[in-house]
Amino acid sequence: GQQLNQSPQSMFIQEGEDVSMNCTSSSIFNTWLWYKQDPGEGPVLLIALYKAGELTSNGRLTAQFGITRKDSFLNISASIPSDVGIYFCAGPLTTSGTYKYIFGTGTRLKVLA
Amino acid sequence: DAGITQSPRHKVTETGTPVTLRCHQTENHRYMYWYRQDPGHGLRLIHYSYGVKDTDKGEVSDGYSVSRSKTEDFLLTLESATSSQTSVYFCAISEGTQGIQPQHFGDGTRLSIL
Repeated sequence: GQQLNQSPQSMFIQEGEDVSMNCTSSSIFNTWLWYKQDPGEGPVLLIALYKAGELTSNGRLTAQFGITRKDSFLNISASIPSDVGIYFCAGPLTTSGTYKYIFGTGTRLKVLA
Repeated sequence: DAGITQSPRHKVTETGTPVTLRCHQTENHRYMYWYRQDPGHGLRLIHYSYGVKDTDKGEVSDGYSVSRSKTEDFLLTLESATSSQTSVYFCAISEGTQGIQPQHFGDGTRLSIL
């Protein structure tokens, strides 16, 4: 079935470093979503992108909707310990006027203080 | 908080028993979804609903059924639980009447089948 590939799968970074991760699809999407999940909790929406080329920020987070509409990127600037968690991308598949989302397998971020 | 309540939050049961998980929303959103999350697989869609009594299958629907008799409640039933259905289950909602809208998730139900 349709899959979203996230890269990297996991990463260790030093506190204060910038982080980049990406998500690619075999299909074109009209929307890209980025979520963060903390242990024991549900995913929380970070950023939603609706237009090719769009660049949107949420505090230290910046996400971009790729020009090809088959990829998206998430950057975190000046990482801090609370950035630890799993980051998921998601995109919608439409069927007969309804839609459902598929998710990437996640990027696990670990921050070294 | 997105106004989503999942119950129970934790459950341990035996193979072969029926199990029902409940998702309740206070947002009056059109769409409701059930996912399971397992290590190495991310979030996989089980079933979703796009209105009262309107449901459709996701990618891992075998062994699961759903019902939505009113806007605010979406039930997931395991008719005869198996150990492979041990997982964390998440409910999500999406507004859905103004084009494609983001999903918001509940806090999950951790289900263990022995």
